[in-house]
Amino acid sequence: GAGVSQSPSNKVTEKGKDVELRCDPISGHTALYWYRQSLGQGLEFLIYFQGNSAPDKSGLPSDRFSAERTGGSVSTLTIQRTQQEDSAVYLCASSRHSGRGGNEQFFGPGTRLTVL
Amino acid sequence: AQSVTQLGSHVSVSEGALVLLRCNYSSSVPPYLFWYVQYPNQGLQLLLKYTSAATLVKGINGFEAEFKKSETSFHLTKPSAHMSDAAEYFCAVSENQAGTALIFGKGTTLSVSS
Repeated sequence: GAGVSQSPSNKVTEKGKDVELRCDPISGHTALYWYRQSLGQGLEFLIYFQGNSAPDKSGLPSDRFSAERTGGSVSTLTIQRTQQEDSAVYLCASSRHSGRGGNEQFFGPGTRLTVL
Repeated sequence: AQSVTQLGSHVSVSEGALVLLRCNYSSSVPPYLFWYVQYPNQGLQLLLKYTSAATLVKGINGFEAEFKKSETSFHLTKPSAHMSDAAEYFCAVSENQAGTALIFGKGTTLSVSS
């Protein structure tokens, strides 16, 4: 079956522009996560969606970052007024939901964002 | 707050040698622990996970890890390295409850020489 897909695979933008990154989770997975992978910072949690519950936004670094998940499936991460420090690989992951944690998160290939 | 420390950002071994990648965690509640591998230009792939069952966990590609509560460690081992094991390895922890994100270590790059 299809895994987690992300688009675009690469995005180059100019400082100050807005960007949208897309994630298609595995069908049937109700939990969706966004992470950021950058040199020196490693992998950082950004935001988590579970079904129709309010998302956990505790990892978003600033109010320039936002995300939505439509219809409990596709998610879009938006970065407004991009800065050079936003350059990183943005990873999306999905998992089945259960009453406890520990479910495997399946990762997409990532979107490499470069802000000039 | 939870955290993960991976000792050694870069480990080099010879083909056929033992692989040992170190991971120590900090958690105020019983944790779930994971090892992920990332090959160049690819996403993360789960190697193995500990979820409070057996303390010795076997994963894919001959890797295993042992949960040691007294040492707050979850080191990853493989008896005999293969060239194809060269990749970046991440240890991660999450809380024992639904919907918590993974907290990752900084990663360890494994190089395997012939």
